[in-house]
Amino acid sequence: DAGVIQSPRHEVTEMGQEVTLRCKPISGHDYLFWYRQTMMRGLELLIYFNNNVPIDDSGMPEDRFSAKMPNASFSTLKIQPSEPRDSAVYFCASRTSSGPYEQYFGPGTRLTVT
Amino acid sequence: ELKVEQNPLFLSMQEGKNYTIYCNYSTTSDRLYWYRQDPGKSLESLFVLLSNGAVKQEGRLMASLDTKARLSTLHITAAVHDLSATYFCAVDTGRRALTFGSGTRLQVQP
Repeated sequence: DAGVIQSPRHEVTEMGQEVTLRCKPISGHDYLFWYRQTMMRGLELLIYFNNNVPIDDSGMPEDRFSAKMPNASFSTLKIQPSEPRDSAVYFCASRTSSGPYEQYFGPGTRLTVT
Repeated sequence: ELKVEQNPLFLSMQEGKNYTIYCNYSTTSDRLYWYRQDPGKSLESLFVLLSNGAVKQEGRLMASLDTKARLSTLHITAAVHDLSATYFCAVDTGRRALTFGSGTRLQVQP
């Protein structure tokens, strides 16, 4: 299996622009997670989906952030408008609903907002 | 709110030495995970601990879980330079997502 795939790997954008991050989970995995990693706050859960349905979005910072999962093999995380404080590495992870419940992480997208 | 605390946050050790990283968490859970992250890379799963008393070993690393004490340890035996990385513990409280510790940055000096 190719593992979790994320694109782009790097994104540099200007403040106020819209940014869309993409994720393809491992085939057969029915949970998908979006995390953000910064030096100041560490690894934080933003949102997760089960069977394409958002289950917990309490970690989404504010209304500028939105996430969708239109089908089992694709999810997006959108930031509109972007701000410099959104600069971080965004990870997507997936897992199955059966044990051992291990999450597999994608390579991440390094976002820089200038 | 679940809190996951790791210590130490930074560990510099010599090759050949032994050391232990501690992970404490604040609420009941019987699922604990250890991940490794190399600089600029993603997180790689090391161990999955699913019950009280669970012990897993892989090479020079051994992880254990004490759910009553809400404590997990990651023991490093005879450290080598290749083990230099940041190690995270993470707890699943049933929300199905993970809450991560702050990470322990391990530096093994030759």
